[in-house]
Amino acid sequence: EAGVVQSPRYKIIEKKQPVAFWCNPISGHNTLYWYLQNLGQGPELLIRYENEEAVDDSQLPKDRFSAERLKGVDSTLKIQPAELGDSAVYLCASSAGTAPDTQYFGPGTRLTVL
Amino acid sequence: AQTVTQSQPEMSVQEAETVTLSCTYDTSESNYYLFWYKQPPSRQMILVIRQEAYKQQNATENRFSVNFQKAAKSFSLKISDSQLGDTAMYFCAFRNNFNKFYFGSGTKLNVKP
Repeated sequence: EAGVVQSPRYKIIEKKQPVAFWCNPISGHNTLYWYLQNLGQGPELLIRYENEEAVDDSQLPKDRFSAERLKGVDSTLKIQPAELGDSAVYLCASSAGTAPDTQYFGPGTRLTVL
Repeated sequence: AQTVTQSQPEMSVQEAETVTLSCTYDTSESNYYLFWYKQPPSRQMILVIRQEAYKQQNATENRFSVNFQKAAKSFSLKISDSQLGDTAMYFCAFRNNFNKFYFGSGTKLNVKP
């Protein structure tokens, strides 16, 4: 069974440029999560989807971040414009949506903003 | 709001020895789930072990076991017979009844040969 796929693995951009990350969850997983992970810290939730509905986006900086999950499968996270402080690893995870609801993580995208 | 605290930023252990990583959490809920995740230097997060709060028996997965103390809101991870491949960041995580996860700040474990 294929795991959670993310692309790109690495991205270097200059500040004020846009950037997008893509995630393909495990087949059949209804719940999809985007996390931000700063160096040496634990993941912090940005947004959670149940199928195509964003059910928790309270931590998403909506002035510059946006996300979508069309058809309830793949998801894209976008930043426009990027700031220096956005440099971090962006993790995608998916789960089946039923307790205990173990999350399975992708390899992440390491973003560097210059 | 739930919080997860890992008070040991970094730990070291000799190969083949046993090490215990600490985790405490704060919640007013009675039913929840707890997890330990491992993140090797390659950065992909992997599930190590999980515990349902309604189960009194501590979970065990091969060399990994937990000491779950519900009243004390403590969830420590014990790694027996440590191996070099156990070197990683370890994150404790809490899942509430609304399917929201909270992660601790992590403990960096170094297994020395």
